Amino acid sequence: KNEVEQSPQNLTAQEGEFITINCSYSVGISALHWLQQHPGGGIVSLFMLSSGKKKHGRLIATINIQEKHSSLHITASHPRDSAVYICAVSRWASGSRLTFGEGTQLTVNP
Amino acid sequence: DGGITQSPKYLFRKEGQNVTLSCEQNLNHDAMYWYRQDPGQGLRLIYYSQIVNDFQKGDIAEGYSVSREKKESFPLTVTSAQKNPTAFYLCASSIGTPAYEQYFGPGTRLTVT
Repeated sequence: KNEVEQSPQNLTAQEGEFITINCSYSVGISALHWLQQHPGGGIVSLFMLSSGKKKHGRLIATINIQEKHSSLHITASHPRDSAVYICAVSRWASGSRLTFGEGTQLTVNP
Repeated sequence: DGGITQSPKYLFRKEGQNVTLSCEQNLNHDAMYWYRQDPGQGLRLIYYSQIVNDFQKGDIAEGYSVSREKKESFPLTVTSAQKNPTAFYLCASSIGTPAYEQYFGPGTRLTVT
């Protein structure tokens, strides 16, 4: 079993829909990261959080430390949101090393 | 503009040749990382460096080597000992440790035939 599990693996939505991507982890962490990988391969860090909730534009990330679970929400989805969304965790014992989930491929149709 | 550059974007090599992938950052970050990505798999850590002149093996270091002689540069050499080198390689950096946001380069797609 992977230390970081994401669901779903693939997600197709219509423009305007509310989207949720889930991430569960099985280890103690110092922080959880949400990343976005564009079709060309480049990766952008969306959020890094260790508690509570963060919001940036139409993106919201939440984390529940007790349940070892995080969610990434996209409100009013748009075709330009189509990308792979990756959850990763950093652990105190591992310094800044990240352990990655396998990613969620999101496709938003117009 | 501050950021991370990787060159080239696409690289083709014959089997048995060593090849070096470039990674340069002007973010003044102490820590740098090399990841490998294969289709349908998550990123895997090859090597990382938390400070100049020091680096550690990641999860899949066999067949790879690195150097960190300058703060801004962290080149990765894929040696002929790497059994399956064809992959997408990403370099990243962070301010330091332990838990800081990582900034990624655009990646190099290596094809070995």
